[in-house]
Amino acid sequence: DGGITQSPKYLFRKEGQNVTLSCEQNLNHDAMYWYRQDPGQGLRLIYYSQIVNDFQKGDIAEGYSVSREKKESFPLTVTSAQKNPTAFYLCASSKALSEGWSTEAFFGQGTRLTVV
Amino acid sequence: GQQVMQIPQYQHVQEGEDFTTYCNSSTTLSNIQWYKQRPGGHPVFLIQLVKSGEVKKQKRLTFQFGEAKKNSSLHITATQTTDVGTYFCAGDKRGSQGNLIFGKGTKLSVKP
Repeated sequence: DGGITQSPKYLFRKEGQNVTLSCEQNLNHDAMYWYRQDPGQGLRLIYYSQIVNDFQKGDIAEGYSVSREKKESFPLTVTSAQKNPTAFYLCASSKALSEGWSTEAFFGQGTRLTVV
Repeated sequence: GQQVMQIPQYQHVQEGEDFTTYCNSSTTLSNIQWYKQRPGGHPVFLIQLVKSGEVKKQKRLTFQFGEAKKNSSLHITATQTTDVGTYFCAGDKRGSQGNLIFGKGTKLSVKP
């Protein structure tokens, strides 16, 4: 089955530790995204990548880092610099930009990170 | 900065009543997308509108894109319990192609 996979579904970490969230897609999509979802806040963009070895900051990139070494993979590292890391993290992918704008985004199941 | 505002934040309806959520942008949008997120789930794409004044229908759902491409609406006719969830609109951030920004969503609950 084609799709986008995030793992793990639930993750617990101690404060001060870095943690990496996995996101893999086999849809052959060029674009990948990381969003953070907090209650009542909708989805806020952390980082996005339109092509391998390139990525851009979204609106709330501080305290996060990403890499895009392979088309299929876009891992997100939540660093100790992120002041409020407990949240629901969603990864998405889409085909390359069409006529200059984003196309349909496919989301993974999400990872719920709790930092204690 | 550019924002995509959605109202209302919550809507409670009786099954069979209609429901509408509105999306407004501070700047012109190249396109608007709508997503639905069921409780405990992830957002699922519903539709994309790109033309000024465009109207699209999916069964009981009607989507509109404003003439000025600054606002959009989703209307559900005769809601059912299966319509429960949060509905999000999303648009590309101006001058930043591929930067898809989402509204805060409208959470719909349907009483049987």
